Amino acid sequence: QKEVEQNSGPLSVPEGAIASLNCTYSDRGSQSFFWYRQYSGKSPELIMSIYSNGDKEDGRFTAQLNKASQYVSLLIRDSQPSDSATYLCALYTGRRALTFGSGTRLQVQP
Amino acid sequence: DADVTQTPRNRITKTGKRIMLECSQTKGHDRMYWYRQDPGLGLRLIYYSFDVKDINKGEISDGYSVSRQAQAKFSLSLESAIPNQTALYFCATSEHRGQTGELFFGEGSRLTVL
Repeated sequence: QKEVEQNSGPLSVPEGAIASLNCTYSDRGSQSFFWYRQYSGKSPELIMSIYSNGDKEDGRFTAQLNKASQYVSLLIRDSQPSDSATYLCALYTGRRALTFGSGTRLQVQP
Repeated sequence: DADVTQTPRNRITKTGKRIMLECSQTKGHDRMYWYRQDPGLGLRLIYYSFDVKDINKGEISDGYSVSRQAQAKFSLSLESAIPNQTALYFCATSEHRGQTGELFFGEGSRLTVL
C-alpha cells in the first residue's frame, strides 16, 4: 500500500461546478496535511494546509480532514478553467520531509 | 530573480556520465530538499538536509549523492547516469518549523539520460 494515494484522473468538471479531490494515507500518526497545485510545466505551489479534523475554508477552497478514516479532501467551489492543474496531496509520514501522492489532474471545461 | 534557483534547467547526457544539478536559495531557509517527478508517480524524495551537517536519505537515494556546501546551496549528483534517471528534478526549501513548514520549489531541472 502506498503511503499517500490519489486517483490520477483526469477529473473533468464543468465551469462553475464543485470539484472534489480525495486523498487517503496509511500512517495513522500523520498530523500535518497539505494540498499543492501544479500547473503543467510549472513547480508545485501550496494552496491549503490542514492539521485538525474537520473543514478549513479559504476562498473557493475547502480542505477536509478525517483522521479516523485516514483521508483528506479538497473541494473547489465555482470551478474555473484556471483551476485546471494537477493537485498533489502531501503529508508528513514519520520521515522528516513531506511525502507526496501521485496527484490528480483536474480539467475544468468552459 | 527566483528565490530558489536550479541549474541547469535542461540537460541531455549519456549513460555513464557524471551529472551535477545545483540549487541555490535566497530565502534564508535552513531546510533543503531534492525531489524527482515522473509521470504518474508524483514527487519522490531523494535527499534532504536540515542544515550543513544534517543530510538524510529519502525514499529513492540509490544512484544519487548530495552536497550541502552552505546554508544556501544544495547540489545533487548522479555519479554514473542511467536512462531510468530521466526525470524532472525539483529542489525545495522550507523554514525550520517542524511539520508545518511550507515547501518552496525551484523551477525544476529536466534531465534526459540517453
